[in-house]
Amino acid sequence: LAKTTQPISMDSYEGQEVNITCSHNNIATNDYITWYQQFPSQGPRFIIQGYKTKVTNEVASLFIPADRKSSTLSLPRVSLSDTAVYYCLVGDMAAGNKLTFGGGTRVLVKP
Amino acid sequence: DAGITQSPRHKVTETGTPVTLRCHQTENHRYMYWYRQDPGHGLRLIHYSYGVKDTDKGEVSDGYSVSRSKTEDFLLTLESATSSQTSVYFCAISESRDFRQGYEQFFGPGTRLTVL
Repeated sequence: LAKTTQPISMDSYEGQEVNITCSHNNIATNDYITWYQQFPSQGPRFIIQGYKTKVTNEVASLFIPADRKSSTLSLPRVSLSDTAVYYCLVGDMAAGNKLTFGGGTRVLVKP
Repeated sequence: DAGITQSPRHKVTETGTPVTLRCHQTENHRYMYWYRQDPGHGLRLIHYSYGVKDTDKGEVSDGYSVSRSKTEDFLLTLESATSSQTSVYFCAISESRDFRQGYEQFFGPGTRLTVL
């Protein structure tokens, strides 16, 4: 399974855009990139998933360069309620759902 | 929110006692998972199930066993609890293991287990 590296923490302010970059140098051809969000005392929640280029949904955007060795989760105009831990995961169908959640990035949104 | 419940939500037990945690889903999803979460370790997969009576080990399965006799229930058992198993345990479900089709995992509210 591809290992991921992401910053331990990030601070931001309300209304700003937050970009979290995840490094996955040994990503394999069949691997997809998935991001989860976790609030304190809750289970993680799926945010977005992508394979290449750009994916956007109502919550976030995911940018994946051509070499796919990294990806960036972009949260537009964050609010205090976006304070959470964000996990980047990389996995493939061959590994089934044996994904590994790393330490994640703790995002603190300040007023 | 996906219909996933975990019981109990909190439990304190003593070293050496057996403990069973229950995960119940109302979504009829095929795949179910047990994770543990500890400070500094993120979430780690303990066991997962890909159907009734079909289970497989995750990365931290030692000291744990699971059973799935019905689609909706996935039980995690600590045969003889140790202090190192003090953790928050999350159950998750997913419809498919195919990233292209409903791979998303839905997590339950968690069970906080303390082993004294």
